[in-house]
Order: sequence, then structure tokens, then C-alpha cells
Amino acid sequence: AQSVTQLDSQVPVFEEAPVELRCNYSSSVSVYLFWYVQYPNQGLQLLLKYLSGSTLVKGINGFEAEFNKSQTSFHLRKPSVHISDTAEYFCAVTRTDSWGKLQFGAGTQVVVTP
Amino acid sequence: DTEVTQTPKHLVMGMTNKKSLKCEQHMGHRAMYWYKQKAKKPPELMFVYSYEKLSINESVPSRFSPECPNSSLLNLHLHALQPEDSALYLCASSQGRVEPMRQFFGPGTRLTVL
Repeated sequence: AQSVTQLDSQVPVFEEAPVELRCNYSSSVSVYLFWYVQYPNQGLQLLLKYLSGSTLVKGINGFEAEFNKSQTSFHLRKPSVHISDTAEYFCAVTRTDSWGKLQFGAGTQVVVTP
Repeated sequence: DTEVTQTPKHLVMGMTNKKSLKCEQHMGHRAMYWYKQKAKKPPELMFVYSYEKLSINESVPSRFSPECPNSSLLNLHLHALQPEDSALYLCASSQGRVEPMRQFFGPGTRLTVL
């Protein structure tokens, strides 16, 4: 079975400051990794995904994440946040051999203030 | 068209009512999903349909009954729900040719059970 741990439940950050959201996972098999964002009263939108290849993954809206196999981590970063980045962020994993079942972390609430 | 649509957006129902949630996608995806999301929590998988057949049921109570009439449409029939079933119900689809493992989410139906 897989599990996902998001180490911070809430991250307050000032506008134009950098932000890092931490995600660790455990799995006995190889996995695909995802970051989703959920704006208030909306569905989930994919920010980026790691399937294979380069460990640095770039996504939409200036976000990037780095896959670290030895530390089983997939941390999300943005060098300069905007007010509009205020949202809930979910890290998720799925097995590579049966990728229909996404396992989500508990989520990190990012609150950007001026 | 990269959109998953869900209707209705909001639904209020009594415990004796019967209602249905509808989800539609026209991306040619062959897998469709129902998730339940309580406030401040990650989505929890309920059902997965693959090629119009139910492939995963995450031990969901029988008062929730999924249906996949065709490859573009997914319904969730609700009957004799409890107040604790109040939540955001999200539909997703995947298994397109270009990004098979990526799930596309709809905006959700906000359900309140009185």
C-alpha cells in the first residue's frame, strides 16, 4: 500500500515571497506522483506530475517540484507567490502498475497575504 | 474539450429523497471516478468505472448507487442518505490516449442532506 504525508497543514506566506510545500510518500512499488490545487469551491486542477525521467518537474503557474527517490519526497516550490495562489494543495501518488487509484495527502492550505 | 462537467452544482435533499448526480466528459476517456470530499479533507475514492464496467467499489454504502450508461456519462444515484453524507462529490475521468494516468476533475456537486 502507498501513503502520502504532507508535513504542513497550513503555510502562511507573504506576496512575492517563495513557498515550499513538503510531501513525503512511502510505497513498496514504483509510483507516479502528482500535485493538485483546489481553489475555494472548485474541483482539483493538476499542477504537475512526475512519471519518469528528469527529477525536476515544471508545472503550470510557475510551480515546480523535485522528485527525490532516496528521501521519498516530492516537494513543491514557487519562487514568488501571488494572492491568487491562495488555495489548498494536495500531493497524490498512484502505483505505476495500476494507476487508477490516487492516494491523496491530507492537504496544505496556502494563505498568501499582501 | 478538456472539461468534466457536473450537475447540479448544489443539491439539498431530505433523508427520504431520491436524487441523482450527473457527470459528463467528451475527452474520449475510458475511466471515470466518483470521489467524496468532506470539508478540509482530501478527496476519498468511492467508485471507478473502466470501459463502462465497475472496477472499484471502495466499500461504499448501498445508499450510493453508481451507473455508467455510456463512455461519456457517469451518474450517482442517491437514496436514503444520512446527514453525514453531506459533502462535495467530485467526478473525474482519465485514460485518454495522450496522458492516460492523469485524472481530470469536475467542479463538484455540493450536497447537503437535511
